[in-house]
Amino acid sequence: KQEVTQIPAALSVPEGENLVLNCSFTDSAIYNLQWFRQDPGKGLTSLLLIQSSQREQTSGRLNASLDKSSGRSTLYIAASQPGDSATYLCAVLPHNAGNMLTFGGGTRLMVKP
Amino acid sequence: DGGITQSPKYLFRKEGQNVTLSCEQNLNHDAMYWYRQDPGQGLRLIYYSQIVNDFQKGDIAEGYSVSREKKESFPLTVTSAQKNPTAFYLCASSIPTGPYNEQFFGPGTRLTVL
Repeated sequence: KQEVTQIPAALSVPEGENLVLNCSFTDSAIYNLQWFRQDPGKGLTSLLLIQSSQREQTSGRLNASLDKSSGRSTLYIAASQPGDSATYLCAVLPHNAGNMLTFGGGTRLMVKP
Repeated sequence: DGGITQSPKYLFRKEGQNVTLSCEQNLNHDAMYWYRQDPGQGLRLIYYSQIVNDFQKGDIAEGYSVSREKKESFPLTVTSAQKNPTAFYLCASSIPTGPYNEQFFGPGTRLTVL
């Protein structure tokens, strides 16, 4: 069964720092990988979706990479800002799972002014 | 505005009561999903529906029930059989187009058992 792990569980950085969030998955048979942002007490906002045939996706200061063979994805945030403080979740869409995403536990990010 | 709405935002339930959480979408998506999130954890799938009048159990369906009578609506009932229902519940929808299936989420309902 597919398992998704995010390390670290929590991260605190000073404003302006570039940072990397990690996501690993156990089964490389996936259709895509999605990164979400969740603010406290709120729903999820989709940040980036990488299809299995792609290596990376970019949106503004965010860049997500995918190495399917090694079961890893990274979310790179450039020039972090206090407004980036949130929980970041990754999820994979496995083959033969209908349309059911498998989520990691999330990384709680705090960017200090 | 297109989107997914969930109501209520906060819900309190006494032990032994059934409660129903509402989820409505106007995105014209065929598929809808219910997830449960516990503090500091990721999301776990309760039920999902690919099409009207059809739904499937997810990983943690025990103690929950759903219906899908309309494309726009996918209500979730938390029954008294659910042993630990206090959690944050999220509804999502998508166009089930296989590899590019992207799920969009509602704002969530926080359920607390008193």
